[in-house]
Amino acid sequence: DGGITQSPKYLFRKEGQNVTLSCEQNLNHDAMYWYRQDPGQGLRLIYYSQIVNDFQKGDIAEGYSVSREKKESFPLTVTSAQKNPTAFYLCASTWQGGNTEAFFGQGTRLTVV
Amino acid sequence: AQKITQTQPGMFVQEKEAVTLDCTYDTSDQSYGLFWYKQPSSGEMIFLIYQGSYDEQNATEGRYSLNFQKARKSANLVISASQLGDSAMYFCAMRETDSWGKFQFGAGTQVVVTP
Repeated sequence: DGGITQSPKYLFRKEGQNVTLSCEQNLNHDAMYWYRQDPGQGLRLIYYSQIVNDFQKGDIAEGYSVSREKKESFPLTVTSAQKNPTAFYLCASTWQGGNTEAFFGQGTRLTVV
Repeated sequence: AQKITQTQPGMFVQEKEAVTLDCTYDTSDQSYGLFWYKQPSSGEMIFLIYQGSYDEQNATEGRYSLNFQKARKSANLVISASQLGDSAMYFCAMRETDSWGKFQFGAGTQVVVTP
């Protein structure tokens, strides 16, 4: 079945550590996105990518990094520079063009311990 | 600047009644898409309905309809005949063609359906 898969579902990070969240899609989508969601809040855009080897910063990119070496994969690294990383992270993908919805993964809940 | 505004943080609605969730947006693009998503407590994002900026008819999908008023830049979601399973967070989103296809979301409206 086609879809978008995020792993892990839950992730615990110690202070000062970098962690990488995985996002893989087999929908042949060009565009991929990372969002952060805090409790009771909306989705804030971290990074997005329209094509392989290219990506743009969203509204809250500081303390995060991404890569897009393959069309199917868009991993997000939460670096130690991100001061408040505890949140729910959602990955999404879609085709180019403005009239197609974004498909979302199940999310990764990151907690700093 | 906030591009998508949802002014209702939370709403209670009785089962079988209709509810309208407000959404206003800001864009200078002529071509854009408007979307509504539902997020239950499990966290998954469920796509509900889409409206294109050039669509003259309001979009409908089952019990969901989108009241699109282009001049007012509003795209309100109407849920008819509410069910208990409609209790969730609802997000309005916009994708502008000219801004590298970014999807931007509003802050959401929490809907609680009561028996």
